[in-house]
Amino acid sequence: DAGVIQSPRHEVTEMGQEVTLRCKPISGHDYLFWYRQTMMRGLELLIYFNNNVPIDDSGMPEDRFSAKMPNASFSTLKIQPSEPRDSAVYFCASSLVRTGWNTEAFFGQGTRLTVV
Amino acid sequence: AQKITQTQPGMFVQEKEAVTLDCTYDTSDQSYGLFWYKQPSSGEMIFLIYQGSYDEQNATEGRYSLNFQKARKSANLVISASQLGDSAMYFCAMRGVGYGNKLVFGAGTILRVKS
Repeated sequence: DAGVIQSPRHEVTEMGQEVTLRCKPISGHDYLFWYRQTMMRGLELLIYFNNNVPIDDSGMPEDRFSAKMPNASFSTLKIQPSEPRDSAVYFCASSLVRTGWNTEAFFGQGTRLTVV
Repeated sequence: AQKITQTQPGMFVQEKEAVTLDCTYDTSDQSYGLFWYKQPSSGEMIFLIYQGSYDEQNATEGRYSLNFQKARKSANLVISASQLGDSAMYFCAMRGVGYGNKLVFGAGTILRVKS
């Protein structure tokens, strides 16, 4: 398997523009997590899905952020409108939980977002 | 709520020596898993080791071992025979059944290995 695939790897956008980050989890995995990493706040869990259903979105900072998982092989994180404080590295991770506990989450390479 | 605390923002260790990175956790769950990840300067997240709450033996993976003290709610990572390539950020994380399998991370510890 190719692992968790995120696109784009880098994104530079102007304040006010819409940004869409994409993630393809590992085939067969039942959990998908979106994280944001900044120097100030560390690694924050934004939202996670189980079998394509959002379970907890309490980490989504505000209404400008939204996430979807229309099928088991694709998820998006959208920011509209974007602001400079959204600049961060966004990670997607997937995990297969139903088969047991000793199943780690596999991370994508991350998307480095810069909002100017 | 689940919470992971890593109290060491940064650590130094001499090459070939052992180092312990601290992790304490808070949960009301009985069934949970603890994980350690490494993030080198290149940015990727690399899984290192796992410990289940019902595991009686401490987990080991090569030079990594997890010192699990359930009563104290601590899950410290021990790296033996440190190498220059161990210089990285290290994250402790946990996942609990009672919290919907949410995977939460601590703030991380930066480890620098000196030659």
